[in-house]
Amino acid sequence: KQEVTQIPAALSVPEGENLVLNCSFTDSAIYNLQWFRQDPGKGLTSLLLIQSSQREQTSGRLNASLDKSSGRSTLYIAASQPGDSATYLCAVPTAGGTSYGKLTFGQGTILTVHP
Amino acid sequence: GAVVSQHPSRVICKSGTSVKIECRSLDFQATTMFWYRQFPKKSLMLMATSNEGSKATYEQGVEKDKFLINHASLTLSTLTVTSAHPEDSSFYICSARDSRGVEKLFFGSGTQLSVL
Repeated sequence: KQEVTQIPAALSVPEGENLVLNCSFTDSAIYNLQWFRQDPGKGLTSLLLIQSSQREQTSGRLNASLDKSSGRSTLYIAASQPGDSATYLCAVPTAGGTSYGKLTFGQGTILTVHP
Repeated sequence: GAVVSQHPSRVICKSGTSVKIECRSLDFQATTMFWYRQFPKKSLMLMATSNEGSKATYEQGVEKDKFLINHASLTLSTLTVTSAHPEDSSFYICSARDSRGVEKLFFGSGTQLSVL
């Protein structure tokens, strides 16, 4: 059974810092990995999707890396801003390593960036 | 980008009543939609997979008679919580996958259900 763990559970930093959020998964036979952002009481916004054949993806100040063999992914946030404050979730396909859409989520990292 | 609309965003109901939550894909067709549940400070747990024109597939431990799912069109799936009880209070989120095979999933904004 796939399990996804995120560290740290919470992170509070001053504005401008560079951050690293960690995600690990137990079954390395994944098709892809996604990072999401969730604002309080809201749905999810997809930030980055990394295919299993890729090592990283970048979007603006965000960079996500994937080391499939070791079952790890990191989300790097450069020059953090108060608007980055949210819960960050990573997720992988649940069964059989497919991209069908059933996802197993980590418990999230609650990020607070203060001015 | 693709948009998934979920309504209502918040509902408060009395114990024993039924609540319907709608999930619509606004600019793409979704033969498959997914319903998740999220408890406070916990991660999302998949409840069921909604298939257009056929029965939903429920995850282990999810009562299909309590959580009725209907996916009658390519753009709409509904989740009905029947005879709701306080323990059903939770945040429910739907997601949809573009039928053209785009890898990303698109999520609704969620529904906070509070059963008194």
